[in-house]
This record gives sequence, structure tokens and C-alpha cells, in this order.
Amino acid sequence: GQNIDQPTEMTATEGAIVQINCTYQTSGFNGLFWYQQHAGEAPTFLSYNVLDGLEEKGRFSSFLSRSKGYSYLLLKELQMKDSASYLCAVISNDYKLSFGAGTTVTVRA
Amino acid sequence: IAGITQAPTSQILAAGRRMTLRCTQDMRHNAMYWYRQDLGLGLRLIHYSNTAGTTGKGEVPDGYSVSRANTDDFPLTLASAVPSQTSVYFCASSRTSGGSDTQYFGPGTRLTVL
Repeated sequence: GQNIDQPTEMTATEGAIVQINCTYQTSGFNGLFWYQQHAGEAPTFLSYNVLDGLEEKGRFSSFLSRSKGYSYLLLKELQMKDSASYLCAVISNDYKLSFGAGTTVTVRA
Repeated sequence: IAGITQAPTSQILAAGRRMTLRCTQDMRHNAMYWYRQDLGLGLRLIHYSNTAGTTGKGEVPDGYSVSRANTDDFPLTLASAVPSQTSVYFCASSRTSGGSDTQYFGPGTRLTVL
């Protein structure tokens, strides 16, 4: 099976930076997604990485190292609305998404 | 554009009853998926369909069945519900079943089996 690990919870202050790590061991690799999920809502797409390196999209950036089986999502200039769960998901050889359990980020004023 | 709709929003069901969760997308996506989300376990794939007329089993298919008669609809049926099927169910779709295509999720159905 697939093994995708990420921290359960993180807390940060408004305006700060938070880095959510994700490590994976999967049957092959065809890309890694990050999704955001607010409580009681559907997951929404944040980023996709398939090559090593950093992808930046406004306040959010995602990094991938395929050789280390590692990714992180960086949230800068945190806002209260960023309080949510962040889901790391890997596309393996069967082209199906396997999700980590998610990291709940709480932003405090 | 509605994207993906699911019905019902929530349901309380007696064990042993049959239940169909509905999912419809209007994006003409070829691939569709059903996931369940349980606390501490993340999203797990139940069944998928790469294109109309085909379906496949995901990680946790037991107790569930699906059909894909057309591009837009992908219903999930619980033939005889059990309490362990209490969960939040999300339907998703993507343009193709290829790895790089983003999956878009419906609003979810919260199901409680008593």
C-alpha cells in the first residue's frame, strides 16, 4: 500500500509563516498534490508538483524532492481564513490519488 | 456552472437498508471517483470510473457498488448498510484519469448508519 505521512496539527500566528511537511513511500510516483479543506467543506486544489523544486503561487508555495520522497507546503503571511486542513496526496503507478490524513492548521490572532 | 453536485447532503440510515448516493458533474469530465473520509484516516478511494461504461475498485470497495451509464452521473450504492459505513462521502471528477489532471470534489454527503 501507500504510506503518506504529515503532521496532525500545527498552530501559527496571523502574519507568520508555516511549513507543512509530507513524506511518502508509494508504488511509483506520478505527481504530488496539495489540497485545502475547510471544516465541513470539500477539498479544493492548491498545487501540483511532478518535478523537483519549488512552485510558487502567491502566498502559497510547494516544494518537491522525489529522491527524498518529501514535499512541503509553505503558507506565508498567514490569514485567519487559512485555518483549515491541508491534504497531501500522491499519484502512484496506478494513476490513483492516495491521501495523507491531513494537517489541521489553526491561525491565531 | 455547478461543477459537481451530490445528494443528499446528509442522511441517517438504519443498518441493513439500501442507500444510493447521487453524484452529477457538468464539466464533461471523463473520470469520476468516490471517496470516504474518516477522522484520522484521510480520504480513501472506494470506486472509480475512467470513462463512461467502465468502473474499477479502489482501496476500500467492499459493501459498495457503482455504475457509470453516462458521462455526467456516478451513483454509489450501499446494498445493505452497516455502522462502519458511517462517514463523509465525496465524489470527485477529473478531465482524464491521467496523473496530472486535478480532481475536483463535490460538497460531500454525511451518512450515519445506526
